[in-house]
Amino acid sequence: GDSVTQMEGPVTLSEEAFLTINCTYTATGYPSLFWYVQYPGEGLQLLLKATKADDKGSNKGFEATYRKETTSFHLEKGSVQVSDSAVYFCALMSSGGNMLTFGGGTRLMVKP
Amino acid sequence: NAGVTQTPKFQVLKTGQSMTLQCAQDMNHEYMSWYRQDPGMGLRLIHYSVGAGITDQGEVPNGYNVSRSTTEDFPLRLLSAAPSQTSVYFCASSYTGDTQYFGPGTRLTVL
Repeated sequence: GDSVTQMEGPVTLSEEAFLTINCTYTATGYPSLFWYVQYPGEGLQLLLKATKADDKGSNKGFEATYRKETTSFHLEKGSVQVSDSAVYFCALMSSGGNMLTFGGGTRLMVKP
Repeated sequence: NAGVTQTPKFQVLKTGQSMTLQCAQDMNHEYMSWYRQDPGMGLRLIHYSVGAGITDQGEVPNGYNVSRSTTEDFPLRLLSAAPSQTSVYFCASSYTGDTQYFGPGTRLTVL
């Protein structure tokens, strides 16, 4: 079945540092890929998505590129802020499917 | 436009009690889902619905029932609560099935 693997956290960075959160997946066909973010005490919200190979999703300074050859969708940001502290979830939806499969989540802590 | 709302925010039950977690959305979305979130395990799908009158099981459906009598509402019923059901529960809705909008969650503790 489908699965998503994320690097375990927590990831602790200083403000303005470069961020990478790794995500790899297993799925048949051509899934759509997503990053969701969960701020403390809130539900998840969509951060970015990509629906086909080599697509780059971007939002709020975050980027992720759909790499089919390496089955990866790593999240990056060039300069993190304290306000980026949250839990980040990588997810996929198989082509023709209607259910999301989530990774375990990675907690990011940014210190001033 | 309230989005996805969930009630209650917090609930404590004793083993064997039953309860219903409420979920409503005002975006006229056809897709609605229930997830549970446990530490280190991400979100796991319990049940989902692709429209009024249609429901299906997700990854972890045992111990939970759902129904979808209207487009707006998708309640989740725990028939006989067990400590293993202690978790945070999220409801989500979607127009197309991929980009999902989540509610704020219900934190449930079963003693």
